Amino acid sequence: GAGVSQTPSNKVTEKGKYVELRCDPISGHTALYWYRQSLGQGPEFLIYFQGTGAADDSGLPNDRFFAVRPEGSVSTLKIQRTERGDSAVYLCASSPGTGETQYFGPGTRLLVL
Amino acid sequence: AQSVTQLDSHVSVSEGTPVLLRCNYSSSYSPSLFWYVQHPNKGLQLLLKYTSAATLVKGINGFEAEFKKSETSFHLTKPSAHMSDAAEYFCVVSDRGAAGNKLTFGGGTRVLVKP
Repeated sequence: GAGVSQTPSNKVTEKGKYVELRCDPISGHTALYWYRQSLGQGPEFLIYFQGTGAADDSGLPNDRFFAVRPEGSVSTLKIQRTERGDSAVYLCASSPGTGETQYFGPGTRLLVL
Repeated sequence: AQSVTQLDSHVSVSEGTPVLLRCNYSSSYSPSLFWYVQHPNKGLQLLLKYTSAATLVKGINGFEAEFKKSETSFHLTKPSAHMSDAAEYFCVVSDRGAAGNKLTFGGGTRVLVKP
């Protein structure tokens, strides 16, 4: 079956611009996670949704980052006033429920010039 | 709080020889532990997971890992490396007692397999 998909696969933007990154989880998965992987490092947790609500957003680095999941399926990670330090691979994962194995998408590589 | 330390950032092995990737963890609760593999330009793939059953866990592609609570370790091994094993490997911990099951990743170990 279809896995987790993320669009775009690559995004180049200029400092100060706004970007949206999209995640389509595996059908039926209620839990959705966003992680960020900087060059040469392991992924770091950003935010977790159970259904439509953000159950844990403790990993968001500051208020320029925001994520939504309005219908409990697709999620969008939004970054305002991008900075060069936001350049990274943004990974999305979904799981059938909380506490179950997370399945990762291929990621969106964001480059802020 | 939970954390993971992967003791080697790079490991180089010859094809057909054993692979050992070392991982130590810290967790406030009863942890779940995972190993994920990331091939270049591909997504993270789960190799194996430990959730409290048998301490020796077998995964895909001939990998296995042993949970040692007394040593807070979860080392990954494979008896015979294959060229296709060249990738980055991440040891991951999740606190089962905490809500959300968020994953904490180690820094990764890059494996090079020489012919």
